[in-house]
Amino acid sequence: AQTVTQSQPEMSVQEAETVTLSCTYDTSESDYYLFWYKQPPSRQMILVIRQEAYKQQNATENRFSVNFQKAAKSFSLKISDSQLGDAAMYFCAYRRDHDGGSQGNLIFGKGTKLSVKP
Amino acid sequence: NAGVTQTPKFQVLKTGQSMTLQCAQDMNHNSMYWYRQDPGMGLRLIYYSASEGTTDKGEVPNGYNVSRLNKREFSLRLESAAPSQTSVYFCASSRRDGYNSPLHFGNGTRLTVT
Repeated sequence: AQTVTQSQPEMSVQEAETVTLSCTYDTSESDYYLFWYKQPPSRQMILVIRQEAYKQQNATENRFSVNFQKAAKSFSLKISDSQLGDAAMYFCAYRRDHDGGSQGNLIFGKGTKLSVKP
Repeated sequence: NAGVTQTPKFQVLKTGQSMTLQCAQDMNHNSMYWYRQDPGMGLRLIYYSASEGTTDKGEVPNGYNVSRLNKREFSLRLESAAPSQTSVYFCASSRRDGYNSPLHFGNGTRLTVT
């Protein structure tokens, strides 16, 4: 079974600085998808960024980027120029490349709580 | 666009009571999911429905039942609530044919069982 591990329960960053959140996963599959979701205090789950395992190029969305190391099964999230609004819980998630049917659900890590200091 | 709508937002139950959490999506998604979120545990899958007319158990199905009423609606029922079911519940949906399509989440239901 696939597992997702986030080893940093809490992180802190100064406003305007850069922070990296770690995520590792375990799978025997070669094709899959990885996601980072943000959950602010409002409880809403917001997709931040996603990565296809077959793509070598790291995904980027504005101030958010990932460092995807397929061989190491590592998928870290880098937040540049941190803003107060980035303070939230961040979840790493894995999704297998299913052939349709019933295996499309996400497997989540336990989350990293990010604080941003002004 | 409404996206995924969950009701209610908050609920307090007494042990043994029953209730149904409602979820509806307006994105024409085929797949729908119910997750629970507990402190320090991340989100864990309770049940999912790959398409209208089908449902399957996830990681933590005990104590729950689901109904995929139609393509839009997927409800979660607690027949006899227990304190261990105190949690935040999320409904989500996704396209089935887009393998990398992300899940779209509702805003959650905070359930307390006393």
